[in-house]
Amino acid sequence: QQQVKQSPQSLIVQKGGISIINCAYENTAFDYFPWYQQFPGKGPALLIAIRPDVSEKKEGRFTISFNKSAKQFSLHIMDSQPGDSATYFCAARRDSGNTPLVFGKGTRLSVIA
Amino acid sequence: NAGVTQTPKFRILKIGQSMTLQCAQDMNHNYMYWYRQDPGMGLKLIYYSVGAGITDKGEVPNGYNVSRSTTEDFPLRLELAAPSQTSVYFCASSYRDEQFFGPGTRLTVL
Repeated sequence: QQQVKQSPQSLIVQKGGISIINCAYENTAFDYFPWYQQFPGKGPALLIAIRPDVSEKKEGRFTISFNKSAKQFSLHIMDSQPGDSATYFCAARRDSGNTPLVFGKGTRLSVIA
Repeated sequence: NAGVTQTPKFRILKIGQSMTLQCAQDMNHNYMYWYRQDPGMGLKLIYYSVGAGITDKGEVPNGYNVSRSTTEDFPLRLELAAPSQTSVYFCASSYRDEQFFGPGTRLTVL
């Protein structure tokens, strides 16, 4: 059973456009929702994260939108750049503390000039 | 700080061979994790540890073993390598929310 469903699997966006990646989760006990960015040959790195007490969090060109009632959250990349080309993973974790993250299957983003 | 380090970077094993993937962190994190990453499948948790001497199974533990004798080190052992274990393996550590990942070990079993 896949606890975090991520879409699309791949995405091609023009430079300057908006990239949108969506995730849906099942477990209402999840209370921490990060997005990780992974470049080829590297390990994933935390990009931005949100908790369910807010509906949106913005850091530079990256925004997480969170819909608790729909059990969905999404990553928006504004003014997408070729350097944003990477694989993006959403994740979720239940309970507070350091319980393991559950990851989505990833979205490969390509930003073309 | 070196962060999370993993050795080796690449390895080719024959079916039935054994090996240990090394992972070390210098951030004094209590929590450490092993994931495998297969194309289009995301990251699957193999084992994790909440501190020295304590380990627990993740989603896909079969065929692997771990130990955690120190805070710094969390090796992953493959006893009888199988082609299904061909993957990229990532070690990670965390203190609070953020998990820090190592650069990965690419393992091929032939």
